[in-house]
Amino acid sequence: DQQVKQNSPSLSVQEGRISILNCDYTNSMFDYFLWYKKYPAEGPTFLISISSIKDKNEDGRFTVFLNKSAKHLSLHIVPSQPGDSAVYFCAAKAGKSTFGDGTTLTVKP
Amino acid sequence: DAGVTQSPTHLIKTRGQQVTLRCSPKSGHDTVSWYQQALGQGPQFIFQYYEEEERQRGNFPDRFSGHQFPNYSSELNVNALLLGDSALYLCASSETFGFQETQYFGPGTRLLVL
Repeated sequence: DQQVKQNSPSLSVQEGRISILNCDYTNSMFDYFLWYKKYPAEGPTFLISISSIKDKNEDGRFTVFLNKSAKHLSLHIVPSQPGDSAVYFCAAKAGKSTFGDGTTLTVKP
Repeated sequence: DAGVTQSPTHLIKTRGQQVTLRCSPKSGHDTVSWYQQALGQGPQFIFQYYEEEERQRGNFPDRFSGHQFPNYSSELNVNALLLGDSALYLCASSETFGFQETQYFGPGTRLLVL
């Protein structure tokens, strides 16, 4: 049973618009959540995180929202840039990290 | 400052063989985790080493074993290779063994089992 799900395998947005990537989880023991970005032939790179005691965390163009009652996590990128095109993984921690299967974001110029 | 490095970058083995993958953590990091990433999936946690001991383990059989050396580098060993072991193996290092440590990933070793 997959505890962390990213239901959209791909997302395409226009440069300058908002990108919204979603993630759902089932384990209520998860207490820390992270987003990673991965380019081809590279390992995942940490983007932003949020503790379960918060509902929002911002870092520049990136904002993560956490809705604990819905067990839902989202990453907003505003404005989107072509260099943001990559695979985005959400991860949830209860000790160890559990990853979703990723969403491929394509930002078109 | 070198980040996380892994060797080799690619490897081809046959079923039943054994393989050893290596990881050097980012400078200043003392905790190393290993992940397996199958094609089209997210990384799956194998185990984590801190102070030369396995601290946490995911749902992987005993064929997967590891080691951490005094300089914090680490090895992942897989015995009796199966076709299903073909994947990208990622190493991640972090500064502390704890709750909110940020992990830095290496580029991975791509293993193909024939």
